[in-house]
Parts: sequence; C-alpha cells; structure tokens
Amino acid sequence: QVQLQQSNPGLVKTSQTLSLTCAISGDSVSSNSAAWNWIRQSPSRGLEWLGRTYYRSNKWYNDYAVSVESRITINPDTSKNQFSLQLTSVTPEDTAVYYCARDVLGEGFLDYWGLGTLVTVSS
Amino acid sequence: EIVMTQSPATLSVSPGERATVSCRASQNIGSNLAWLQQKPGQAPRLLIYGSSTRASDIPVRFSGSGSGTEFTLTITSLQSEDFAVYYCQQYNDWPPWTFGQGTKVEVK
Repeated sequence: QVQLQQSNPGLVKTSQTLSLTCAISGDSVSSNSAAWNWIRQSPSRGLEWLGRTYYRSNKWYNDYAVSVESRITINPDTSKNQFSLQLTSVTPEDTAVYYCARDVLGEGFLDYWGLGTLVTVSS
Repeated sequence: EIVMTQSPATLSVSPGERATVSCRASQNIGSNLAWLQQKPGQAPRLLIYGSSTRASDIPVRFSGSGSGTEFTLTITSLQSEDFAVYYCQQYNDWPPWTFGQGTKVEVK
C-alpha cells in the first residue's frame, strides 16, 4: 500500500518561497512506472495540477503547468525517498490546500494522494 | 488545455436512490477519464479510471461510462458514506491534467 506523508509549513509571507515535501512509503520516487505530482485546491480555482517529476531510462524529467512554470520547481530526493515542491514569489492567490499524488506513468490517473497541507499566504 | 465541465453542480438524492453525474470534455479524450470522490477535510480518492474501471476496493454500486467527450458516473442505491463531492479528471492531453469543477451529492 502506497502512502504519501506531507510536510506542514502552514503560513508563508507574500513574495517568499513556499516549500513542501512528500515522503513516499510503499513505492520508490525512482520507480520507472510512476510519476510524482503536486496538485492544489482552492475555492476560487478548484483542483489545479501544478507539476510532476518522474524517472525514466536513467534520467529525471519534470512537467509543469504553464500557469506556474516560471515559479515552480519539483525535485526528487532519492536518499529520503521523497519529493519536494518549491513555489517562489507567492501571493495570496497561492493560498490553497496542496496535495501530493502518484500517477501511473503512461496512464495519468492519480491513484494515491497525500492528506493535504493548507498553505496560507499572507503579508 | 482541455476544459472539463460537470453537471449538475449539486444533486439532491435520497438514501437508497440512484445518482447520476455528468462530465463533458471540451475535446475528444477517448476513455482517458477518471472519477474522484472527496469528503470534507479529506483528500480526493480515486473511484474510476479508464472511464469505467473501478479502482481497488471501490464498491460495485459505483460505475462509469462514456467515451470521447461525454461521460457519466452512476451510483446505484446511495449509501450514507456516498454523500460527497465528485470530480472528473482527464488525462488524455497531458500535461496538464485537468479537473471538472465538482458535483456535490447531498441528502434530499
């Protein structure tokens, strides 16, 4: 059974960097058959996919949503079997519940989700 | 980007009755559609993928159908634990994955 355990940063100040981690158990961040995603949810934007990282043919790849691609970085950490999200220059519009989730590489449906972390951006 | 549109926004159903939720894609996505259930304070949970395949441990009262641009989630004989918000998600045109705005199934 795959489990995803998210960190809990809580409050981030406007213009600063939001950082979250997602620790994986029951699978590997280096799996050749999975991708590791960040999704957020807010009342105004609904569910919004942000990006993902995955390992394939001995190389790491990233895909990012156009809406955040200038501000987002998703990195794997193989030593801790986890992956991270960094979102720079945040504004109150980035206030949301952030989820990490796994998708089956080559498919795209999100079969395991973390519990979610509420991030509030405020001055 | 593919836009997913769900209807209705809210569905009032009595326990034991059938609920039907619709999802329309702005372009052909084949059968690359998933349904997710979300209860208050919880993460979404995968119910259906490939338009009609139930995920692990999902009861048979949940079924999905459709292809192309029109999809349906049907819940037969609603149980108390089924009152929740349901989302469709497309994964044909990737990335980005995109979601519908959600349908709340509430007690009538």
